[in-house]
Amino acid sequence: QKEVEQNSGPLSVPEGAIASLNCTYSDRGSQSFFWYRQYSGKSPELIMFIYSNGDKEDGRFTAQLNKASQYVSLLIRDSQPSDSATYLCAVKTSYDKVIFGPGTSLSVIP
Amino acid sequence: ETGVTQTPRHLVMGMTNKKSLKCEQHLGHNAMYWYKQSAKKPLELMFVYNFKEQTENNSVPSRFSPECPNSSHLFLHLHTLQPEDSALYLCASSQDLGLAGTLAYQETQYFGPGTRLLVL
Repeated sequence: QKEVEQNSGPLSVPEGAIASLNCTYSDRGSQSFFWYRQYSGKSPELIMFIYSNGDKEDGRFTAQLNKASQYVSLLIRDSQPSDSATYLCAVKTSYDKVIFGPGTSLSVIP
Repeated sequence: ETGVTQTPRHLVMGMTNKKSLKCEQHLGHNAMYWYKQSAKKPLELMFVYNFKEQTENNSVPSRFSPECPNSSHLFLHLHTLQPEDSALYLCASSQDLGLAGTLAYQETQYFGPGTRLLVL
């Protein structure tokens, strides 16, 4: 089992819809979870982090964490074409290593 | 300058060359990282330095040699590389707050723009 898994996509949503990105992880003791956005040809940039069960909202972005089920998700409300990018889930494991998932490609169709 | 900077931004080298990548962080962080990003593969952690000490070597071939002279600078020395080493090399930094009793512990990493390396 891979340590951090994401659907590779591409995920296509129409402009204005909600985009839902999912990530599962294998290390039950993981404590910190991050979502990065990476535009084509650019470096990753941090957009959200979460470490408590439940939801964390920041503007149009909501991160959801369920440690019992070992998944973390990112919801993007009112999706815009500028949200089209690859979204990387990263997990800080109990053995002190940050592991990145393969990323999900999101395409927002005008 | 602010953030994390990397030079050069692009590098083409032959398999017999020796070159170095440079990273500098202006964020006052105490941990620095080298990552490799190849096409269609997840980010791969290569090396981690905490307080200038190497704490992670993720089974990286010896043709990659890191150097961290201080907490603000990180180098990656390259020699006798192979064409499959062509990739985007990303540097990142973070503030390592430690684990004991820190509920708000987090290790947010800030990335540089990367060096795109082509080995011929």
